[in-house]
Amino acid sequence: GQNIDQPTEMTATEGAIVQINCTYQTSGFNGLFWYQQHAGEAPTFLSYNVLDGLEEKGRFSSFLSRSKGYSYLLLKELQMKDSASYLCAVRDGDYKLSFGAGTTVTVRA
Amino acid sequence: ETGVTQTPRHLVMGMTNKKSLKCEQHLGHNAMYWYKQSAKKPLELMFVYSLEERVENNSVPSRFSPECPNSSHLFLHLHTLQPEDSALYLCASSQDPSGGELFTDTQYFGPGTRLTVL
Repeated sequence: GQNIDQPTEMTATEGAIVQINCTYQTSGFNGLFWYQQHAGEAPTFLSYNVLDGLEEKGRFSSFLSRSKGYSYLLLKELQMKDSASYLCAVRDGDYKLSFGAGTTVTVRA
Repeated sequence: ETGVTQTPRHLVMGMTNKKSLKCEQHLGHNAMYWYKQSAKKPLELMFVYSLEERVENNSVPSRFSPECPNSSHLFLHLHTLQPEDSALYLCASSQDPSGGELFTDTQYFGPGTRLTVL
């Protein structure tokens, strides 16, 4: 089966940096996605990695190491609106995304 | 606004009822997905339609019946559900990923239908 692990909860202070780790063991690999989901809302796409290395998009960056089965999402200059659940998902076939259970990030003033 | 809408947003039904969830995408995509999201659990893929044909069915009980009349609309017909089926049901759409550039198949989600089965 597929195994996607990420921490359940993280707390950080406004203006700080938080790194959310994701490790995966899947039968195939066609890319890794990060989504943000506010309570009661749709998951929204944040980033996509298919090659090793760092992808930067403004305050958010995502890193991938395929040999280690590891990714992280880095959130910089945290704002209160960044309080949400962050979902790591691996595409292990043409269509299928396997998701982790999500990391709830709470940003405190 | 993600371009994927779902109705209803909330639904309460008894175990003997029949109801349908509707999803519509305005993004010009040709693949659509149903996911189930239960509390504290990962999203579970239920069904995938690509070019209006079902391409994935992840061992979902027959009390869930999908329908994809065209590339913009997806339904999930529900009948004789169980209380453990209570969850958030999410629809997503993407470009068909098979044979195409990988990045273009990013899935975009609707806001979901919160289903409660009594």
